[in-house]
Amino acid sequence: DQQVKQNSPSLSVQEGRISILNCDYTNSMFDYFLWYKKYPAEGPTFLISISSIKDKNEDGRFTVFLNKSAKHLSLHIVPSQPGDSAVYFCAARTAGRRALTFGSGTRLQVQP
Amino acid sequence: DAGVIQSPRHEVTEMGQEVTLRCKPISGHDYLFWYRQTMMRGLELLIYFNNNVPIDDSGMPEDRFSAKMPNASFSTLKIQPSEPRDSAVYFCASSLEQGGDTQYFGPGTRLTVL
Repeated sequence: DQQVKQNSPSLSVQEGRISILNCDYTNSMFDYFLWYKKYPAEGPTFLISISSIKDKNEDGRFTVFLNKSAKHLSLHIVPSQPGDSAVYFCAARTAGRRALTFGSGTRLQVQP
Repeated sequence: DAGVIQSPRHEVTEMGQEVTLRCKPISGHDYLFWYRQTMMRGLELLIYFNNNVPIDDSGMPEDRFSAKMPNASFSTLKIQPSEPRDSAVYFCASSLEQGGDTQYFGPGTRLTVL
C-alpha cells in the first residue's frame, strides 16, 4: 500500500519555464512533508519541507504547496534550469516518528 | 564535514554469500537510517537507530537482514545469506535530533547478487 504517491514518473520542461511536481498521500497522520532531489550515483539531497500547519513554503526558486483537504502537495520550480534535471522524491512522516515514507519519484528533465 | 560515508560503493557477490555494508554518519548526528532503493518498491526504510539503539526495524525484509550500530560513528547492515532479489542500492542517512527531519544521505552502495 503506497501511502505517498507520485503518479508522474517523468516530466520534461523548457529552461526558464515553471516545473510542477505533484505528490499525493493517503495517511492523514502525516504532519511533515519533504522534497528530496537525487542525481545519478548520488544519495538524495534535501530540498525543501513544509509542516502541516502551513500551506506554503518558499525557498528561492522552490516553493512547496500543501493542500491538506486534498492530501496533495506540489513542488514548483521557477524558473527551471538545466541543473535541476534530476529525480525528485516526495516524502512524509507522522508526528513523533523519524522515519520517512517516500514516493516513487519523478524524473525531471529541463531542456536548454 | 565529510557527509555520510558508505562503503563499499559497489558490491558484487554470489548468491549465498554474506554481505556487509558499512556506514559512517555525520559526526554528532543522533539518528541513523538504512534505506533500500529498488525499481519495484522505490526507496523504503529498513531500520533506524537513535543514539545507537534500534528504534524501528519493521522494514527489515526478513531474518537474513541484520543491522548494528556499535557506536555513534559506525553502523553495518548485513545480509546472510544473500539472494539475487536483494540486489538494490542501499542508502544510509543520518540526522540531528535538533535539526528537524532533514536526513542527510550517503552516496549509496549498489549491491548485485548473482
